[in-house]
Amino acid sequence: NAGVTQTPKFRILKIGQSMTLQCTQDMNHNYMYWYRQDPGMGLKLIYYSVGAGITDKGEVPNGYNVSRSTTEDFPLRLELAAPSQTSVYFCASSSRVASSYNEQFFGPGTRLTVL
Amino acid sequence: LAKTTQPISMDSYEGQEVNITCSHNNIATNDYITWYQQFPSQGPRFIIQGYKTKVTNEVASLFIPADRKSSTLSLPRVSLSDTAVYYCLVGDRGGANNLFFGTGTRLTVIP
Repeated sequence: NAGVTQTPKFRILKIGQSMTLQCTQDMNHNYMYWYRQDPGMGLKLIYYSVGAGITDKGEVPNGYNVSRSTTEDFPLRLELAAPSQTSVYFCASSSRVASSYNEQFFGPGTRLTVL
Repeated sequence: LAKTTQPISMDSYEGQEVNITCSHNNIATNDYITWYQQFPSQGPRFIIQGYKTKVTNEVASLFIPADRKSSTLSLPRVSLSDTAVYYCLVGDRGGANNLFFGTGTRLTVIP
């Protein structure tokens, strides 16, 4: 299993540009998450999904959009990039088995710079 | 929503036991306590989770007092490779949007 994969690894955007950060997991997990991590800070939840077709906002959703058309994929869309969105973005997934821990498995991250 | 408080940083020499305490005064009845480890330029990695008393796995131990308002992650005989940021999270086992990572504790292991 590859686990959680993210593309691209790095990206530089100009203010106002748009892009999609890709996230794929091959563990058949129902739950998927997007976090951002600013330098020296913890992770903040942007959006999450509890299954295909279902998404909900996290702590910092403004400026982002998500979709979940399949169990495997959970792309994050930035429509009008702003310098405040410069960050490292992590995608994660977890299972939803009542008898097990809600351990989140993280991808390697995408480092985004908006200039 | 239960948030957590941890020391910002800690230093330890190789071979010592390290204890990182997390305060979570507003923990709810259904909340579990979970610890993650994050190396530079990587996503966090699950270490251990518990509800009460003591939990031990091959990596660490987690001590939780009866009132559950705090917890202590114990790393036995740390090595240089244990240098990382450690996050304490409190939330429902199946919860999705109530897990706050906070700023974590930056552990530096000194040779």
